[in-house]
Amino acid sequence: NAGVTQTPKFQVLKTGQSMTLQCAQDMNHNSMYWYRQDPGMGLRLIYYSASEGTTDKGEVPNGYNVSRLNKREFSLRLESAAPSQTSVYFCASSRDREVDTQYFGPGTRLTVL
Amino acid sequence: GENVEQHPSTLSVQEGDSAVIKCTYSDSASNYFPWYKQELGKRPQLIIDIRSNVGEKKDQRIAVTLNKTAKHFSLHITETQPEDSAVYFCAASNYGNNRLAFGKGNQVVVIP
Repeated sequence: NAGVTQTPKFQVLKTGQSMTLQCAQDMNHNSMYWYRQDPGMGLRLIYYSASEGTTDKGEVPNGYNVSRLNKREFSLRLESAAPSQTSVYFCASSRDREVDTQYFGPGTRLTVL
Repeated sequence: GENVEQHPSTLSVQEGDSAVIKCTYSDSASNYFPWYKQELGKRPQLIIDIRSNVGEKKDQRIAVTLNKTAKHFSLHITETQPEDSAVYFCAASNYGNNRLAFGKGNQVVVIP
């Protein structure tokens, strides 16, 4: 099992450009999450999907959109990137929305110039 | 919403000594408390977790204790080794809402 995978690993954007971060899991998990990690700020939840077909805002959703394409895939889109969105983005999944271990992907390091 | 705080922000210990990291949480409804370890440039990985019906849990050199009355929980690492050097994140959530609220992390440095 590959676990949680993310693409790309690194990305540089110019202000105003758009891009989609891809995430997939092969553990048959129901719930998936997108976090951003900034120095000294810990992990902050952007959006999550408790189950296929549902998505909800997290702590810092502004400037992002998500799509739960199917049970395996959960994408994060930046429509018009801003320098404040420079961060490391982690996708995670868990078996269920009830309290359970979250497994993280390797992360995407995004720089917006 | 839930607010989780970690102290101290950086902890340096001699190899072989113990390290203790404490977290406090604000929501008395929280009942799930995991600890994640993140090595430099890597993804966070769960190392131990505790639920509110248990006061202490151990796994080899790692233990977590929970004080629900005071709303704090602590990670204890005994006989520290260089590979324990990492950032450790605590988190809290409650049943029915697996939205983990993370603390800002503690840098642990084990000095050989």
